[in-house]
Amino acid sequence: QVQLVQSGGGVVQPGRSLRLSCEVSGFTFGSYVMHWVRQAPGKGLEWVALIWHDGSVTYSADSVKGRFTISRDNSKNMLYLQMNSLRADDTALYYCAREERTLGYYDTSTGSNSFYFYGMDVWGQGTTVIVSS
Amino acid sequence: DIQLTQSPSSLSASVGDTVTITCRTSQSINIYLNWYQQRPGKAPKRLIYVASSLEGGVPARFRGSGSGTDFTLTIHSLQPEDFATYYCQQGYRSPLTFGPGTKVEIK
Repeated sequence: QVQLVQSGGGVVQPGRSLRLSCEVSGFTFGSYVMHWVRQAPGKGLEWVALIWHDGSVTYSADSVKGRFTISRDNSKNMLYLQMNSLRADDTALYYCAREERTLGYYDTSTGSNSFYFYGMDVWGQGTTVIVSS
Repeated sequence: DIQLTQSPSSLSASVGDTVTITCRTSQSINIYLNWYQQRPGKAPKRLIYVASSLEGGVPARFRGSGSGTDFTLTIHSLQPEDFATYYCQQGYRSPLTFGPGTKVEIK
C-alpha cells in the first residue's frame, strides 16, 4: 500500500545539523512532487519545502531558506531534508507528504511558468526534532 | 506571501450538529484551497481539495465551497470522530501556507 516511512529525528544542539529521511513505497515516487511540513509543539502546520518530481526545482519557506535543503533519490524511493544551523524554533514534528497533483499555467504577471497545487494526499507518520542545548 | 485566517479558532458542538468553518485569504487564490483534518497525535488528512472536491473515502457530510478569497468547510451531522482540528491551505502560489487551524470540540 501507499506508505511514507520517516526516520532521522532526534535531539540536537543549536547550530548543529540533522538529516531527515522519508522512504516511499506503493507508488511511482518519481512521478510526484514531495513536501516537508512541520508542526511546533502545540502549534499549527507550517509548510517547509517542496521538490519537483525529478529534483530539478525546489522551493522553501523563508524561515528555513539557506539552512535546510530538500532532496530526493528516485532510484532509492527516498526523500530527504538536510537541516543545518538548527535553532530552537526549529523544534517540531516534521512530516513528509506527497503532493497529489500540480497544474501548470503561464503567469502573465511574472512572465514565467508556474503551478497550482492540489494538496497533500499522503503523509508520513512524522518524526520529532528537538533543538536544545 | 499569501496569508490565511480561519474563524472561529475553536468551537464547541454536539454530535449531530452542523458546523461551518471559514477560511479567508489575503489575496484571491481562485479555487486552490485545500482542507485537512488532524486528530490528536495523528498526521493531517486531506478532506477537500480545490475548494470543493471531496477526497476519496471521506464522508459526504464534509462539504467545501468558495472561491477567490472566501472559503468554507461545512460538516453536517457531526460525528464523534469529527472532533479534531481543521486547517485550510492555499495551493495557489509558493510559499504554500496553512491557516492557523480551527479546533472542533465536544460540547
